[in-house]
Amino acid sequence: AQRVTQPEKLLSVFKGAPVELKCNYSYSGSPELFWYVQYSRQRLQLLLRHISRESIKGFTADLNKGETSFHLKKPFAQEEDSAMYYCALRKGSQGNLIFGKGTKLSVKP
Amino acid sequence: DAGVIQSPRHEVTEMGQEVTLRCKPISGHNSLFWYRQTMMRGLELLIYFNNNVPIDDSGMPEDRFSAKMPNASFSTLKIQPSEPRDSAVYFCASSPQVPYEQYFGPGTRLTVT
Repeated sequence: AQRVTQPEKLLSVFKGAPVELKCNYSYSGSPELFWYVQYSRQRLQLLLRHISRESIKGFTADLNKGETSFHLKKPFAQEEDSAMYYCALRKGSQGNLIFGKGTKLSVKP
Repeated sequence: DAGVIQSPRHEVTEMGQEVTLRCKPISGHNSLFWYRQTMMRGLELLIYFNNNVPIDDSGMPEDRFSAKMPNASFSTLKIQPSEPRDSAVYFCASSPQVPYEQYFGPGTRLTVT
């Protein structure tokens, strides 16, 4: 069965520290993976997708098929990065997404 | 564009009552998704429509839940009768086509007492 696992419910770091939000997936086909973010009092929005191989707001994520992981990383966390982060998997060409349970990132001053 | 619009933003109702949640997708988007968010289960897809046709409703928990999309600019999610375990935030999202980015609405926080 398809599954997305985010092992940490809460991750707390200090400003300027590196941050890594973990995401592991289970899928037998060729996955498309995404990170969505929800800032306080804002809508859930797309942060980045693996096929774009881009860096958004300093965040990057590399798809590791061997480890079935798509961890989100940023070398120097900022207070404005505090938010809820969701990893999501799209099954093949279908539109629906399977979300992890989310990780709340708290960046302290 | 105001983005995806959901109403009401908050709903408090008593067990056994009918609840109707509404969603207006972004104009021109062909796909619409309903999600439920709870602490225990995170974000779960309930149902999605493509060109107003339900494509996958396997996430709908039980017969008490139903969703309709009578036209390209409106969808409803109905719970009848509601139960306390239905308390959650319900999100609607739309996308231009099936494989593209989904744009989420602000959500409806439902509390069933």
